[in-house]
Amino acid sequence: DAGVTQSPTHLIKTRGQQVTLRCSPKSGHDTVSWYQQALGQGPQFIFQYYEEEERQRGNFPDRFSGHQFPNYSSELNVNALLLGDSALYLCASSLVPLISSYEQYFGPGTRLTVT
Amino acid sequence: TQLLEQSPQFLSIQEGENLTVYCNSSSVFSSLQWYRQEPGEGPVLLVTVVTGGEVKKLKRLTFQFGDARKDSSLHITAAQPGDTGLYLCAGSSNTGNQFYFGTGTSLTVIP
Repeated sequence: DAGVTQSPTHLIKTRGQQVTLRCSPKSGHDTVSWYQQALGQGPQFIFQYYEEEERQRGNFPDRFSGHQFPNYSSELNVNALLLGDSALYLCASSLVPLISSYEQYFGPGTRLTVT
Repeated sequence: TQLLEQSPQFLSIQEGENLTVYCNSSSVFSSLQWYRQEPGEGPVLLVTVVTGGEVKKLKRLTFQFGDARKDSSLHITAAQPGDTGLYLCAGSSNTGNQFYFGTGTSLTVIP
């Protein structure tokens, strides 16, 4: 049973460039969430995708956008990169449940460095 | 705005000691998760608590959800060096479409 996978593992970009990060959810999961984690801090929610639509969004500018494909995989795009965008980007997958408890499983993350 | 505050932020203890990490909020959550994260990796789910007052045990780890579902604690008995890591709590909204993470507790267990 494959877990959540992310690519690439590491990425170095220059200010002003654009980046695309990719995520494949855990087998059987249909919901993908993206998080940004700065060094030494807890993850901050960016947005969540379900049924190929953005279902919820955190406090991030429009430079951050995403997409979900019919096979439930997802992409995170960041335009006009800033130095402050340097972080570990985490993807988490979950299954819209029939009961009230919600669990999500994380991938290993993509370490983005903006120079 | 950080909805979940964890304490302490940093903790360094000797092997064999006990410790408790707290996760507090003024908001009510439908469920709360605890994760452990090692450097350069994604958080790994340890437990999910759903019912107010619920207590779950995972070997030497004991998790409790507050009666009002606003806070939680993680107690580790006889800590071992393998317990070293960043411990994160996360609460989910009633609709389950957003998780709010705590500030994290960095634990170091010294052999």
